[in-house]
Amino acid sequence: DAGITQSPRHKVTETGTPVTLRCHQTENHRYMYWYRQDPGHGLRLIHYSYGVKDTDKGEVSDGYSVSRSKTEDFLLTLESATSSQTSVYFCAISGGQGADGYTFGSGTRLTVV
Amino acid sequence: QKEVEQNSGPLSVPEGAIASLNCTYSDRGSQSFFWYRQYSGKSPELIMSIYSNGDKEDGRFTAQLNKASQYVSLLIRDSQPSDSATYLCAVRLSGSARQLTFGSGTQLTVLP
Repeated sequence: DAGITQSPRHKVTETGTPVTLRCHQTENHRYMYWYRQDPGHGLRLIHYSYGVKDTDKGEVSDGYSVSRSKTEDFLLTLESATSSQTSVYFCAISGGQGADGYTFGSGTRLTVV
Repeated sequence: QKEVEQNSGPLSVPEGAIASLNCTYSDRGSQSFFWYRQYSGKSPELIMSIYSNGDKEDGRFTAQLNKASQYVSLLIRDSQPSDSATYLCAVRLSGSARQLTFGSGTQLTVLP
């Protein structure tokens, strides 16, 4: 997890409330991603960013928005949380030297009640 | 059909044996392939990447790629109980910028 941190690590929220998850990196990588991980579905891409203010949708973007105002920060917002958004959310970065695989953050476990 | 498929397992092997994990993908134009290991409650960590047909070895791990048959595999030799984890196959599909598509993972248990 060196160079990439997610906050909070755990969160319980109520249905209908907005929630923002934060991903912070110190690697100066260009690409940042948000995935969710659910049993039986593996990791699914929500949104990704390829630079400051440059973002695009992934496979499961409905109900989520993102912002990237600085290279180091990538925010994921659940506009109005639903129980189906209960999941583990992982941020990842890429763009470093060598292979273009990802480095993942530690994850945020979100429970919507 | 899922774009990246893995046998969900669970797969159990005795300590010291070879564990074989398989992954197939649907996009023939894919060029980059990765294996991640994920311990329970932890984040995935990259263990192997492979880009060309054939084998790539790194310690006890060997990744094998066959683009004609659209499969990629991971062999773990001399399996150890510490190898017990979920193994995720990831593919960078053609037409994608940098994003990876993941399989649902194979849970491996190495029995002492």
